[in-house]
Amino acid sequence: EIVMTQSPATLSVSPGERVTLSCRASQSVGTNLAWYQQKPGQAPRFLMYGASTRATGLPARFSGRGSGTEFTLTISSLQSEDFAVYYCQQYNNWPLTFGPGTKVDIK
Amino acid sequence: QMQLVQSGAEVKRPGSTVKVSCQASGGTFNFYSINWVRHAPGQGFEWMGMIVPVFGTTNYAQNFQGRVTITANESTASMELSSLRSEDTALYYCAHAYGSGNSPEGFDLWGQGTLVTISS
Repeated sequence: EIVMTQSPATLSVSPGERVTLSCRASQSVGTNLAWYQQKPGQAPRFLMYGASTRATGLPARFSGRGSGTEFTLTISSLQSEDFAVYYCQQYNNWPLTFGPGTKVDIK
Repeated sequence: QMQLVQSGAEVKRPGSTVKVSCQASGGTFNFYSINWVRHAPGQGFEWMGMIVPVFGTTNYAQNFQGRVTITANESTASMELSSLRSEDTALYYCAHAYGSGNSPEGFDLWGQGTLVTISS
């Protein structure tokens, strides 16, 4: 099973700041990586697939990079609606596995 | 825009079986898989398995082999988990795959979640 890790666990940021979240896979997943955003009491929201392709309707301030075992999700200018928990997920190998999440909260 | 609507919360005894359903509102599953993912308190997301409804093919995570059964028709999917134990207390989600067939490329649509509580 591929183990996904994310860092940091929590990130305290001010609105308008740039934030970069990291995700690492225990073995190569190519670019078979997705990102999700989850707010309290809501189901996850699909943000990105193929490591860097934005889902339909996702604002351009979100960008993804990486391949192999190292990935990042960057939000160029954090908006109030972006405070949430972000998860990465690999879909290169069965079983599909998720990272533990990075919580982005208000500084 | 299709939505996934799940059945309501359940409270079950240890050793029993729970069945959670997921209905497509405003669409059908077509060639896209429906996956089941759970999120236990203080734990991460755990993928349980998937079905491609149009083919009836399934793929289960080894951790749940023998305990989980996923079924579906063109607009309703169900997940049955047996031999329940306290560690199965979690929020269970159905999730529609992005990318058709047996190879999801992420999950682009999620149900609202169904809380399953195991308690004696």
